[in-house]
Amino acid sequence: SQQGEEDPQALSIQEGENATMNCSYKTSINNLQWYRQNSGRGLVHLILIRSNEREKHSGRLRVTLDTSKKSSSLLITASRAADTASYFCATDPKIQGAQKLVFGQGTRLTINP
Amino acid sequence: DGGITQSPKYLFRKEGQNVTLSCEQNLNHDAMYWYRQDPGQGLRLIYYSQIVNDFQKGDIAEGYSVSREKKESFPLTVTSAQKNPTAFYLCASSITGYFDGYTFGSGTRLTVV
Repeated sequence: SQQGEEDPQALSIQEGENATMNCSYKTSINNLQWYRQNSGRGLVHLILIRSNEREKHSGRLRVTLDTSKKSSSLLITASRAADTASYFCATDPKIQGAQKLVFGQGTRLTINP
Repeated sequence: DGGITQSPKYLFRKEGQNVTLSCEQNLNHDAMYWYRQDPGQGLRLIYYSQIVNDFQKGDIAEGYSVSREKKESFPLTVTSAQKNPTAFYLCASSITGYFDGYTFGSGTRLTVV
């Protein structure tokens, strides 16, 4: 079951610009996480935001969470060519007994030099 | 260095064959997971295990089997009953209790020939 939907599906920007990706989900959650995947590789955990948090920062990353709208956004500031990857949001739904994440379809981000 | 290792990186299966994908972790994580990723898609949960000798079906378990005889190991067998096995398979692990996200392996790309 795919809970998260990401928007846009693909994003292409110039190096140095900011990139914003959005994620919407359907059920109540314990937390929401963002992962990065370089082509043909495994996923790397970027940041986790808990349901009682509204904003979180990590380096050039800023994540917001609006539980009333069931949505989150990931902002990457001052983008670099190395940020080119697919980005996935994943939710830890409250309704499930085990801690198992449900992933969205991902946003493919391309940073043009 | 602690981590999670998947092998092989590439695997080719003939029609009607069973194949086993290896996943080993030395992070002392209790929980382990198998996800399937199709081109341009998100991740779908196949099986997960929270403790040794116990595992549960995910959303797409048909045609797959797993075992969890050791904490460190969670192999996935793709059986001949899986009619469309060509995909990228990702193994992940996590702590239980205070859940702070998954650690992923680098994946196995399975192709039917």
